[in-house]
Amino acid sequence: KNEVEQSPQNLTAQEGEFITINCSYSVGISALHWLQQHPGGGIVSLFMLSSGKKKHGRLIATINIQEKHSSLHITASHPRDSAVYICAVRSRGGADGLTFGKGTHLIIQP
Amino acid sequence: GAGVSQTPSNKVTEKGKYVELRCDPISGHTALYWYRQSLGQGPEFLIYFQGTGAADDSGLPNDRFFAVRPEGSVSTLKIQRTERGDSAVYLCASSQGTTDNSPLHFGNGTRLTVT
Repeated sequence: KNEVEQSPQNLTAQEGEFITINCSYSVGISALHWLQQHPGGGIVSLFMLSSGKKKHGRLIATINIQEKHSSLHITASHPRDSAVYICAVRSRGGADGLTFGKGTHLIIQP
Repeated sequence: GAGVSQTPSNKVTEKGKYVELRCDPISGHTALYWYRQSLGQGPEFLIYFQGTGAADDSGLPNDRFFAVRPEGSVSTLKIQRTERGDSAVYLCASSQGTTDNSPLHFGNGTRLTVT
């Protein structure tokens, strides 16, 4: 069973700061997803990646397959970025259902 | 609408009752997933459909839980003899392909409270 760990669990930062959220997993994967969940709201898929790096607006996701580690970065953070960010993986050769981390609760203060 | 729709948004039921939760995926999405999220936790996989068939139901906690997708679109998650520990947000997601190659689109969830 893949163990997915995220750090930090909670993060409070000032508007404009560069944010990094980390995700590590224990078993080889075929894909990793970064998701965003707003309070009381649904979950939005941000990235799906299996290697390298992806960028969308102020968000950047990287993955290092050898080290079993991924990071989500937010540049020029804004209060509307406040949400829970969840890392989820599909284990290589495993069932299609994802294994999720517990999430990182991010608060950006104005 | 264009997104994944879940109904009801909230359901309160008494211990021992039967409940049905509905998911209407994005049109054309063949893959449909049910997840359960408890407070402060990440979502937990329950079951995955590819078309009409349950491709993987290994996440269902016990035989009180059952899900169907008879026509390959709408899915219903059924819980018999509900227990207080079943209280959680039940999330549905759909995708065009598998989680190897397709992003997931989530509904807003059904918050189930068993009293």
